[in-house]
Amino acid sequence: DVKVTQSSRYLVKRTGEKVFLECVQDMDHENMFWYRQDPGLGLRLIYFSYDVKMKEKGDIPEGYSVSREKKERFSLILESASTNQTSMYLCASSAWKNTEAFFGQGTRLTVV
Amino acid sequence: QQQVKQSPQSLIVQKGGISIINCAYENTAFDYFPWYQQFPGKGPALLIAIRPDVSEKKEGRFTISFNKSAKQFSLHIMDSQPGDSATYFCAASRNAGNMLTFGGGTRLMVKP
Repeated sequence: DVKVTQSSRYLVKRTGEKVFLECVQDMDHENMFWYRQDPGLGLRLIYFSYDVKMKEKGDIPEGYSVSREKKERFSLILESASTNQTSMYLCASSAWKNTEAFFGQGTRLTVV
Repeated sequence: QQQVKQSPQSLIVQKGGISIINCAYENTAFDYFPWYQQFPGKGPALLIAIRPDVSEKKEGRFTISFNKSAKQFSLHIMDSQPGDSATYFCAASRNAGNMLTFGGGTRLMVKP
């Protein structure tokens, strides 16, 4: 079974803090994604990586950056957390040119 | 601006009834249309998907109907069961699904 593991289920951070969300997949997938999930807005793509050290901006990259130093690990970084970044964050992976994306369980981040 | 619009936002169906969720898209370059199912506390998981060269795809109680000229597709759940209660997301992508654009989601409740 494909497993995508996000390091935290729940996080509470203060405004202005630097926040790291970690994601690891165990199926040697080339593609990894970070989505943000908000009620009524569905899932919105923040960043996408198709290879180590490669990244592409998604629909809402502002306020976020990413790091992919190893194939299995994809990190989302909030440089200076703000209250409007309170949300559910979902990591996903897929094989190159494969249609199915596999999601982690999500990290619910609250910025106070 | 949402490229994939999903309706309704919430749906209540009696056990044994038919659940219907609709999606409309704008980008004619989309060539892959999956539906994802998400249970509380879990990440979304692929339920069923269709490509635009067919008008319908059925897997068990789940059917996707696709209307290319209208740029619409829908999910039908026949004989709906309480265990189908979940949030459903339609999505669309180009190039074999490497980057998915999601609809806003539909929260389905099936009453026993």
